[in-house]
Amino acid sequence: QVRLQESGPGLVKPSQTLSLTCSVSGHLINSGSVHWSWIRQPAGKGLEWVGRIYSGGTASYNPSLKSRVTVSMSTSKNQFSLTLNSVTAADTAMYYCAKNPDSWEAFDVWGPGTMVLVSS
Amino acid sequence: QSALTQPASVSGSPGQSITISCTGTYNDIGAYDYVSWYQLHPGKAPKLIIFEVSHRPSGVSYRFSGSKSANTATLTISGLEAEDEGEYYCNSYAGSNSPYVFGTGTTVTVL
Repeated sequence: QVRLQESGPGLVKPSQTLSLTCSVSGHLINSGSVHWSWIRQPAGKGLEWVGRIYSGGTASYNPSLKSRVTVSMSTSKNQFSLTLNSVTAADTAMYYCAKNPDSWEAFDVWGPGTMVLVSS
Repeated sequence: QSALTQPASVSGSPGQSITISCTGTYNDIGAYDYVSWYQLHPGKAPKLIIFEVSHRPSGVSYRFSGSKSANTATLTISGLEAEDEGEYYCNSYAGSNSPYVFGTGTTVTVL
């Protein structure tokens, strides 16, 4: 059974960098035709896809965030990570990581989410 | 890229059927058969309930069904149960440059 778990600081100061990690169990992140995605939900608002990385290492991003976001992976730790630079209050949200099979173009397994507050 | 349009809320009595629409454009829903639906409950991981327009993942109740016509996708929940209360989001693939767009979300209330 595939499981995902997000981790990272719950509080980030404005203009600083948000860094989150998703630990994956039950599936090697560098195997199969699978993308690994980050999705966020600001309080009271809808879901927003942030970015993803393919099992082969290629990343793609939401155009609205592309200049500030990086998704990377560590095969030795079976983790993938999100880095978001120059954060503002608008980046305050619940952040989810999700497994994203290439053939489905859907998110079939999600982590429980981690809340990030951007505040001084 | 604009969010897909969903009704803010839908309600029904136990045993009834409800539908949730998800309207996009010819660049997303109209272009690909990659519409998925998600159920969100507070404090729990979101759950995939429909993928590729009408396919149910293993373990998802047959009471959930999906369809698509032109630029609009629809989720139907039949035999409404109290546990179906929650938020529902649609999602569509929209091409390699900006792969995914979510809907605005719908709150389902069981009366």
